[in-house]
Amino acid sequence: GEDVEQSLFLSVREGDSSVINCTYTDSSSTYLYWYKQEPGAGLQLLTYIFSNMDMKQDQRLTVLLNKKDKHLSLRIADTQTGDSAIYFCAESKGYNTDKLIFGTGTRLQVFP
Amino acid sequence: KAGVTQTPRYLIKTRGQQVTLSCSPISGHRSVSWYQQTPGQGLQFLFEYFSETQRNKGNFPGRFSGRQFSNSRSEMNVSTLELGDSALYLCASRTSSGANVLTFGAGSRLTVL
Repeated sequence: GEDVEQSLFLSVREGDSSVINCTYTDSSSTYLYWYKQEPGAGLQLLTYIFSNMDMKQDQRLTVLLNKKDKHLSLRIADTQTGDSAIYFCAESKGYNTDKLIFGTGTRLQVFP
Repeated sequence: KAGVTQTPRYLIKTRGQQVTLSCSPISGHRSVSWYQQTPGQGLQFLFEYFSETQRNKGNFPGRFSGRQFSNSRSEMNVSTLELGDSALYLCASRTSSGANVLTFGAGSRLTVL
């Protein structure tokens, strides 16, 4: 199957950590991605992880990959109001392909 | 380095018309792909081009077509527009080496009346 699932909403207080979760069904995925979309804008790549990795950290962002459970998560430390957006996880099934399967997106709302 | 440029950003058409959207990839990127984003279906892959050849196509009717030029710029066309074609159309480009990383443009928002 090609389903990538995410919870629809997440609300956090400014300064707290946010954790956005994603589950996918295809164990043959090669790369997994997190994109951010602000209102009226396109998709901004936040980070990606290769399928043979368990974790990747990039400044305030930490990606965890559990291949056994087909679970991907994005942790944003010290969440700011500017982090309010929709976050999409996506999977790629090849090494030289542009076809990504996107999740439904999680709307993150950060309140003061 | 300029990003992925899509034109027009907004357009309004009526049912039955056709539309052409344009995408200029990042300089040096030879792969270009298109996605449709709607509230109901989310983000769906349309097609992918490399060196003027379509390498992959999503599950869309034949009214959706595209092409890529020798300078890597791409266009997509939708003929006989339907109300359900109203969407944000996103173009992405990718370098042919290194990690599979797509850089997206800001999109073309099409409204069909």
